[in-house]
Amino acid sequence: EVQLVESGGVLVQPGRSMKLSCAASGFTFSSFPMAWVRQAPTKGLEWVATISTSGGSTYYRDSVKGRFTISRDNAKSTLYLQMDSLRSEDTATYYCTTGPHYWYFDFWGPGTMVTVSS
Amino acid sequence: DIQMTQSPASLSASLEEIVTITCQASQDIGNWLAWYQQKPGKSPQLLIYDATSLADGVPSRFSGSRSGTQYSLKISRLQVEDIGSYYCQQAHSNPNTFGAGTKLELK
Repeated sequence: EVQLVESGGVLVQPGRSMKLSCAASGFTFSSFPMAWVRQAPTKGLEWVATISTSGGSTYYRDSVKGRFTISRDNAKSTLYLQMDSLRSEDTATYYCTTGPHYWYFDFWGPGTMVTVSS
Repeated sequence: DIQMTQSPASLSASLEEIVTITCQASQDIGNWLAWYQQKPGKSPQLLIYDATSLADGVPSRFSGSRSGTQYSLKISRLQVEDIGSYYCQQAHSNPNTFGAGTKLELK
């Protein structure tokens, strides 16, 4: 059974940094692309970033490009999201997602809440 | 960016009723469309991908269709466990974008 467990979400001040992690199990981690999708409180879903199986290709939405970095450690079956220069509009639950389809999100973790506020 | 206009924003339906939710794409996205269900307080779940393909484990009362740039999700006989929010997503080009969602409630 595919399991994804996010961690690292906390309350942080604007302009500061934070790193999210996603521990994966139940599948061959290196075989699937991975992605982060976020959801602001009471709002809809928003794709954030995707990384290829090897980590050699990464894709970001414009609003996080240059501030967020997606990475993966296939030996540890772990996905990361380094978030710098955080803004209030980054406040959301961040979901780790994966699946055999590159741009669809078959499996989701429970999410981790990131709050950016002074 | 490709805009996905989802309707209705909210919907109240009775058990066993047929429910239809639609998404209109702002440009041609082919069959690059998915539907997700999100129950209250839970993570989203993939229901349909490639516009019409049922994801693993999803009940057959769910189905997807396409007519040009309009896409539909149909629930053939509404069950109590179907209550929640539904989102469409285009996967044709980045940034892949979601519809604003449809909140489905029981009448």
